[in-house]
Amino acid sequence: KNQVEQSPQSLIILEGKNCTLQCNYTVSPFSNLRWYKQDTGRGPVSLTIMTFSENTKSNGRYTATLDADTKQSSLHITASQLSDSASYICVVSAWDDMRFGAGTRLTVKP
Amino acid sequence: DSGVTQTPKHLITATGQRVTLRCSPRSGDLSVYWYQQSLDQGLQFLIQYYNGEERAKGNILERFSAQQFPDLHSELNLSSLELGDSALYFCASSPRGQGALNEQFFGPGTRLTVL
Repeated sequence: KNQVEQSPQSLIILEGKNCTLQCNYTVSPFSNLRWYKQDTGRGPVSLTIMTFSENTKSNGRYTATLDADTKQSSLHITASQLSDSASYICVVSAWDDMRFGAGTRLTVKP
Repeated sequence: DSGVTQTPKHLITATGQRVTLRCSPRSGDLSVYWYQQSLDQGLQFLIQYYNGEERAKGNILERFSAQQFPDLHSELNLSSLELGDSALYFCASSPRGQGALNEQFFGPGTRLTVL
């Protein structure tokens, strides 16, 4: 069964600190993996998208990694800012299927 | 601003009623997707249209239906509404129907409240 699991469910960190969010999946055959940021009550915004052949991709302070062998991805946030407070959603696609993780809710405190 | 527009922003209605949500995709995008997000829940994929044709179906109830018109805008119809249908409904668009780099761009959402 195609599934995407994210951990932790929620995370609180202090401003300026780094953090890493995890995404494990069983979606097959794998096509791509995306990380989205969703502010409360707003639509998700794409951070990164990776295909099978890519194992890291950066977007400013956001760096996503992908290990297609172990079916794991992580999103690393460097030097967190208050505006990073949001839900981070991992989405894994097969050719004709798309599965969403439940998200990690990140709170950055001053 | 993603370039995807959704109307209305908010909608309050009663149980048993029918509503229509509208989505205009980004210029040039051929695919439209609909998602439901209940309070503190993850995004649930409902349905995808590509160039006017249904492309993929997710967890869409039989009381819900959608269509994509020749000008590529889309409407999601929700009927016989129940309290549990209260949620944020997002529309997204993408350039193609499928593909590894077929990125989706999300609209601001319509908040539906069923009383």
